[in-house]
Amino acid sequence: QKEVEQNSGPLSVPEGAIASLNCTYSDRGSQSFFWYRQYSGKSPELIMSIYSNGDKEDGRFTAQLNKASQYVSLLIRDSQPSDSATYLCAVVSGGYNKLIFGAGTRLAVHP
Amino acid sequence: GAVVSQHPSRVICKSGTSVKIECRSLDFQATTMFWYRQFPKQSLMLMATSNEGSKATYEQGVEKDKFLINHASLTLSTLTVTSAHPEDSSFYICSARVDWNTEAFFGQGTRLTVV
Repeated sequence: QKEVEQNSGPLSVPEGAIASLNCTYSDRGSQSFFWYRQYSGKSPELIMSIYSNGDKEDGRFTAQLNKASQYVSLLIRDSQPSDSATYLCAVVSGGYNKLIFGAGTRLAVHP
Repeated sequence: GAVVSQHPSRVICKSGTSVKIECRSLDFQATTMFWYRQFPKQSLMLMATSNEGSKATYEQGVEKDKFLINHASLTLSTLTVTSAHPEDSSFYICSARVDWNTEAFFGQGTRLTVV
C-alpha cells in the first residue's frame, strides 16, 4: 500500500464548477497535511496546510481533514482555467520527519 | 510564503562527471531540507531527508554514495550527483521547512541532462 494515494485523473470540470480532489494516507500517526499545486515543468507551490479535523477555508480553496478515516480533500470553488494543474497531497510521516507526496491528480478546467 | 532558491535551474553534463546542486532558504532557517526527483509525468519521489548538522537519511533504493547530500548550515543544503549517467537525467527539486509540522517550501528545481 502506498503511503499517500490519490486518483491520478484527469479530473475534468467546467469553468465555474467545484472541483473535488481526494487523498488517503496510511500512517495513522500523521499530524500535518498539505496541498500543493504543480504546473507542468515547474516545482510545487503550497496551496494550503491543515492540521485539525474539519474544514479550513482560504479564498476559493477549502481543505477537509478526517483523521479517523485517514482522508484529506481539497475543494476548489468557481474553478478557473488557470487552476488546471496537478494537485499534490503531502503528508508528514515517518515519525514527523518525512514529507511524502501522493502521485497527484491532474485537474483540467475547460471554458 | 518563504523563499527557497535552487541553483542551477538547468544543467547539462557529460556522462561520468559530477554535478552539484545548491538549495538555499533565503528568509528563514531550515532545520530540515528534502531532496526529490521527478521523472516526466511521474510523481515526486523523496530521495533523502537532511537535517542540519547531521547525516542525511536516504530512502530505500537511493545510493548514498552516488547522491551526496550536505546540510552544513540552516540555510544551505547541497546535492552532488557523482559519476552521472544518462539514467540520472531528471528534475531534481529541494524543499525546506522550519520545523516538523510546518509547511515545506520548494526551490525552482534543477533539470539535469546527462549526455
